[in-house]
Formats: sequence, C-alpha cells, structure tokens
Amino acid sequence: QVQLVQSGAEVQKPGASVKVSCKASGYTFTAYYMHWVRQAPGQGLEWMGRINPNTGGTNYAQKFQGRVTMTRDTSISTAYMELSRLRSDDTAVYYCARDRASGSNWFDPWGQGTLVTVSS
Amino acid sequence: DIQMTQSPSSVSASVGDRVTITCRASQGISSWLAWYQQKPGKAPKLLIYAASSLQSGVPSRFSGSGSGTDFTLTISSLQPEDFASYYCQQGNSFPLTFGGGTKVEIK
Repeated sequence: QVQLVQSGAEVQKPGASVKVSCKASGYTFTAYYMHWVRQAPGQGLEWMGRINPNTGGTNYAQKFQGRVTMTRDTSISTAYMELSRLRSDDTAVYYCARDRASGSNWFDPWGQGTLVTVSS
Repeated sequence: DIQMTQSPSSVSASVGDRVTITCRASQGISSWLAWYQQKPGKAPKLLIYAASSLQSGVPSRFSGSGSGTDFTLTISSLQPEDFASYYCQQGNSFPLTFGGGTKVEIK
C-alpha cells in the first residue's frame, strides 16, 4: 500500500535549521508531486510548497521563499523539507502529502507528521 | 492569494443528524475544491476532491457540491466516528490554501 513515513520529532533553537524527511513506498516515487503542509498547535493547515520528484522542480509559497528548500533522493524514494532561520512561530507539525493523482493538487495520502519545536 | 472562508467554525450535533459545512472562495475556482477530515493527533484524510468526487473508501454519507465560489460538505447521518475537524482546500492556483476549519462536536 502507498505509505509515507516521516522522520522523528525535532527541537531546534531560534535561528537554526531543520530538515524533515519523508520516505515513500508502495508506488513509483517519481510519478507524483510531493507537497509539504504544516499545522501550528491548535491552528489550521498551511501549504508550504511542492516538489516534482522526477525533475526536482519546486513551487514554494511566497511566505516561505528564501527560507524553505525542498529536495529529493530518488535512489531511496525520499523527499526532504529544510526550513532555515527558525522562529518560535515555526513550531508546528510538518506533514508531507502526495498528490492524489499526478498534478491534481489534492493530498492523499499524508505522512504521520513531524513535530518541530523551536525554543531557546 | 485565494482566501477560503468556512462556516460555521464549530457545530454541535447528535448522532444521526444531517450536518452541512460551507466553504466560500474569494474568487472563482471552478470545481478545484477538496474536503479533508482530521481527528486529534492524526494527519488529515481526503474525503472529497474536485468538489463532488468521493475518495475511495470514504462512506457515502459524505457528499460535496458547488462550483465557482460556494461549496458545501454534507454528512447525511452523523456517526460517532465523524466527530472531527473538517477543512476545505482550493487546488486552483498557487499558493494552495485551506479554510480555517470546522469542528464537529457532540451535542
């Protein structure tokens, strides 16, 4: 079955960077865009961007431009999201989510989420 | 950016009730709308895509309708496992955006 498994929780200091991984299985990794969505504690969902695992091409939300980098390693079917210059308001659960169908912009399935805590 | 406005922000209902949640886009998005269900501590789950298409495995008591700027998610007969938060999401243009969510609570 299609599955996305993310890396474990992280605690980082303000100004540092964090890199979250998302390992895909059960489908052809390069055939579907991978998106990243975050959710601050008690808040709603916020789309950060997407990567085309085939080409490495990315689309980022303007809010994160210059701070986020999405990459992939096709040899191990893994996508990565790195967020730099962390602030306290970056504390959130970060999810990877696959396109339901190639280019559909609907998210299914989702990873289990990775809690990133930014605290001094 | 396209703003997505959901209402109500919360609703109290009983098992067996019919529940309707609305989502309004700040500009026309044709049928580029999805609905997700999220339970506490869990990742969201896709229920409806393309405004009215039921995702595989989702019970038929869930339905979606609308196009342009106004959309509706209906749960025809609320079940105990349906108490959760629901989010709409537009897929028409970047940045992809979500509504603020609707929490369905037990009356």
